Amino acid sequence: GESVGLHLPTLSVQEGDNSIINCAYSNSASDYFIWYKQESGKGPQFIIDIRSNMDKRQGQRVTVLLNKTVKHLSLQIAATQPGDSAVYFCAENARNQGGKLIFGQGTELSVKP
Amino acid sequence: EAGVVQSPRYKIIEKKQPVAFWCNPISGHNTLYWYLQNLGQGPELLIRYENEEAVDDSQLPKDRFSAERLKGVDSTLKIQPAELGDSAVYLCASSLGDQETQYFGPGTRLLVL
Repeated sequence: GESVGLHLPTLSVQEGDNSIINCAYSNSASDYFIWYKQESGKGPQFIIDIRSNMDKRQGQRVTVLLNKTVKHLSLQIAATQPGDSAVYFCAENARNQGGKLIFGQGTELSVKP
Repeated sequence: EAGVVQSPRYKIIEKKQPVAFWCNPISGHNTLYWYLQNLGQGPELLIRYENEEAVDDSQLPKDRFSAERLKGVDSTLKIQPAELGDSAVYLCASSLGDQETQYFGPGTRLLVL
């Protein structure tokens, strides 16, 4: 079936370095993509989203890149901080699925001071 | 602006007992979602409401799970009877509409003994 997955289950980076978290999706009809951050004991927190009519979108210290040709999504975090340590999920949605988000497995980001 | 509110935050029950979770969405959000999140995995949609109407309940195990959103605002998710495999985090989310950003509550952590 359709699925969204992450290439790396864990990522360890040094404080101050840039982080890149990758995600692959398989539903070619997906047109809306979201990155969530989830800290232990909390619900997913919205980070940034992108629609299929864009290739790149920037937020504060975060950038999402969308490559529809290879069905790939990435989240870049600049100058990673200890507070960025969490599990990051990508999620995708297709208009023909209404608001149903399909989440990937998640990548755990660990930032070393 | 207040976020999505859920209660209780934690619940421990014995198997075969009933349990209920409550959610208050962000004010003005017409769409409400209940998700199930197992340890180490991404959330999976159980049911989606547009105002008081359940528009997608295809993933809700209807033999033991039920949900309602009588006045199109607050929602309750019930399990009766609970089974050991129901131990998980139950997340509520809301959005202005479908394919709009979904904001999650902190979740209810259920442990069935």
